[in-house]
Amino acid sequence: DAKTTQPNSMESNEEEPVHLPCNHSTISGTDYIHWYRQLPSQGPEYVIHGLTSNVNNRMASLAIAEDRKSSTLILHRATLRDAAVYYCILKSGNTGKLIFGQGTTLQVKP
Amino acid sequence: NAGVTQTPKFQVLKTGQSMTLQCAQDMNHEYMSWYRQDPGMGLRLIHYSVGAGITDQGEVPNGYNVSRSTTEDFPLRLLSAAPSQTSVYFCASSYRDRGPSEAFFGQGTRLTVV
Repeated sequence: DAKTTQPNSMESNEEEPVHLPCNHSTISGTDYIHWYRQLPSQGPEYVIHGLTSNVNNRMASLAIAEDRKSSTLILHRATLRDAAVYYCILKSGNTGKLIFGQGTTLQVKP
Repeated sequence: NAGVTQTPKFQVLKTGQSMTLQCAQDMNHEYMSWYRQDPGMGLRLIHYSVGAGITDQGEVPNGYNVSRSTTEDFPLRLLSAAPSQTSVYFCASSYRDRGPSEAFFGQGTRLTVV
């Protein structure tokens, strides 16, 4: 299973944009890039996913590098409720397993 | 919609006891999986199933059994509980096992083995 590398922690100010980076240099052509987040004392929740093109949804945007070896999750206006651990995961198009790494702990300051 | 339901939410076991963690989903999802999360760590995959009657091992399967007799249910059995199995357990489901499908997670079962 291909691995991802994320910073351990990041800080942001409330109502400012947040860019969460993820490196995945060993990504294969069938791997989808998924992002999940985990709020304190809760199960992970899906945020967004993409394959090659940038993606937008109501929660966030996903920017994927042209060579697909890195991606960035963008929260356009961070709120206090966005404080969570964010996981960048490569989901195999063949096996479908979600293998979690350590994630990035995002702190949002008022 | 109930989504993914895990029971119980909390459990304390004595070393050597056995128990079953229940997981049910009402979304007709083919793919289900079990994870454990130790304090300050990410989730680790225990077992997964791509459909009724089919199960496979994940990253940390030792000490756990699973079965998938129906599409809706995917119970996780601890055969002989050990303190090292103290953890929070999450069940997840998704429509398919293929790449685009998003996963839905339960709220977790917090297990303490003394």
